[in-house]
Amino acid sequence: QKEVEQNSGPLSVPEGAIASLNCTYSDRGSQSFFWYRQYSGKSPELIMFIYSNGDKEDGRFTAQLNKASQYVSLLIRDSQPSDSATYLCAADSGGYQKVTFGIGTKLQVIP
Amino acid sequence: DVKVTQSSRYLVKRTGEKVFLECVQDMDHENMFWYRQDPGLGLRLIYFSYDVKMKEKGDIPEGYSVSREKKERFSLILESASTNQTSMYLCASTLTQGRTSGDYEQYFGPGTRLTVT
Repeated sequence: QKEVEQNSGPLSVPEGAIASLNCTYSDRGSQSFFWYRQYSGKSPELIMFIYSNGDKEDGRFTAQLNKASQYVSLLIRDSQPSDSATYLCAADSGGYQKVTFGIGTKLQVIP
Repeated sequence: DVKVTQSSRYLVKRTGEKVFLECVQDMDHENMFWYRQDPGLGLRLIYFSYDVKMKEKGDIPEGYSVSREKKERFSLILESASTNQTSMYLCASTLTQGRTSGDYEQYFGPGTRLTVT
């Protein structure tokens, strides 16, 4: 069973701090990794896509991938209350089309 | 700015009914997906389609079928609804630019909350 594991949280961080969200995956064959943000009652929104080892930055978001350790993380710098949401990690498990999702980590940014 | 729409936001059906959920995307994406999302289980792939009339099973296809007659439209069919199919159903579409470009475009629809009584 291919799995993507995340701590469900909640993870609470003060406004302005760095939020660090972590994810591990079991399928060594996974090539592409995704982070989604999902606000309560809304559908997921893709915020980061990474396939190379190392860091990928987009604004206040940085995705980090370590394939040797089968570990993906998402850093959110200067966290804002509007970042409060559930963050879903996902990994492909047979090409782009078959993606396995983690259960998500709930992030709370405290003003 | 409409990208992916789903036919209903909320739906209540009775056990044994045939249920149709429709999804339409206006971005000319080649790939379309149906997921269900349940608390504690996350998002699970039911079916996907990478081209018109093409479909592939996801992780939990039992009790579902799909239809893609036009590129922009992907339908999910519950042949005989059961209470364990009560869930949030999410449609998504993607455009794969190619791994080397670093681009990957994906959008989800707003979801259909289906209750089967």
